[in-house]
Amino acid sequence: KAGVTQTPRYLIKTRGQQVTLSCSPISGHRSVSWYQQTPGQGLQFLFEYFSETQRNKGNFPGRFSGRQFSNSRSEMNVSTLELGDSALYLCASSGDREYEQYFGPGTRLTVT
Amino acid sequence: GENVEQHPSTLSVQEGDSAVIKCTYSDSASNYFPWYKQELGKGPQLIIDIRSNVGEKKDQRIAVTLNKTAKHFSLHITETQPEDSAVYFCAASRSYNTDKLIFGTGTRLQVFP
Repeated sequence: KAGVTQTPRYLIKTRGQQVTLSCSPISGHRSVSWYQQTPGQGLQFLFEYFSETQRNKGNFPGRFSGRQFSNSRSEMNVSTLELGDSALYLCASSGDREYEQYFGPGTRLTVT
Repeated sequence: GENVEQHPSTLSVQEGDSAVIKCTYSDSASNYFPWYKQELGKGPQLIIDIRSNVGEKKDQRIAVTLNKTAKHFSLHITETQPEDSAVYFCAASRSYNTDKLIFGTGTRLQVFP
């Protein structure tokens, strides 16, 4: 089975812009979670989607949003980018054993 | 709030030695404890996990122990190899269903040949 894929792998944006990141889960997995990884804050949970519905949400501002499509692919969007949004954004998918989360390689976002 | 502390932040061992990484969690409702290995330029890879109804689990050279009373869990790597060098993260979550993982701060393990 192919693993979790994320596109793009690298992205450079300027402050004030918006960005959309994409995640394709492992085939058959219906849950997709997003995490932000920074050197200062570590790995932090953003939100989780299951069957196109947001099931869980972390403590991030409303500028961070996401959605999931009927094929379980997910996108996350960050509006009005700030320098502090520079991070590695990781997507994880889960299947029948929902507690086991498998991560993609991440999208490295740099905001200048 | 929910918190997972992880120690040490860096660990250097000689090839063939053992390595132990320890984590403490604050949320007594946590019942699932995975360990991830992250290599440079890659996402975290699930290497072993343990659920709260089990005290110890082993998979070849790696093992995890859980003490629910003390809210501690540990990763043990025996016969370390240079390819074990990576950042290791512990995590905890409340539910057997998909729930947010609360991660520790990571341990950078270096195995010297």
